[in-house]
Amino acid sequence: ETGVTQTPRHLVMGMTNKKSLKCEQHLGHNAMYWYKQSAKKPLELMFVYNFKEQTENNSVPSRFSPECPNSSHLFLHLHTLQPEDSALYLCASNPGANEKLFFGSGTQLSVL
Amino acid sequence: SQQGEEDPQALSIQEGENATMNCSYKTSINNLQWYRQNSGRGLVHLILIRSNEREKHSGRLRVTLDTSKKSSSLLITASRAADTASYFCATAINTGTASKLTFGTGTRLQVTL
Repeated sequence: ETGVTQTPRHLVMGMTNKKSLKCEQHLGHNAMYWYKQSAKKPLELMFVYNFKEQTENNSVPSRFSPECPNSSHLFLHLHTLQPEDSALYLCASNPGANEKLFFGSGTQLSVL
Repeated sequence: SQQGEEDPQALSIQEGENATMNCSYKTSINNLQWYRQNSGRGLVHLILIRSNEREKHSGRLRVTLDTSKKSSSLLITASRAADTASYFCATAINTGTASKLTFGTGTRLQVTL
């Protein structure tokens, strides 16, 4: 266990659904991240939160909406997704700049 | 092309042999990190080497960094079937606040009995 918990582990949704992914860490880390992992592509950094403030939005479509209510929790709200958004979504955290990342187990998302 | 690129894309060896994976990158870095991922799971940090370091060891892992060539290698000695996984390098660039780690596409390692 890395100390970063993601739920759900698997999610199947239609293109008109609204769902949310949840990430929780109790490691006392200040930074939290969302990554997207598609087959045969490098991990793509989506969003970065540092001390609850969003510091990076890597040109992510607005159908992905992150939320960081406190330094321990991170959400990714999904709405009107496309089939090409099917991927493994990984949450990570670390104590600060350039430190090693602690990853959750990911949410395997399938958009039908 | 991306910041970090691993080579080879796939590697198949027998148990007991050594496995070497390489990573090349393009811009100046603060540090370089190696991660491991079992199929469909999250990544697990293996080792971090800073830009002013040339070699680092952790158990059966040996990492080298050549900043003049912008490359790194990960050596796994005396491999085991349990080492079967994908291995990724990630480069950390100074942003001042949170990390901006950039990952490569990974090397898929298969260790057979």
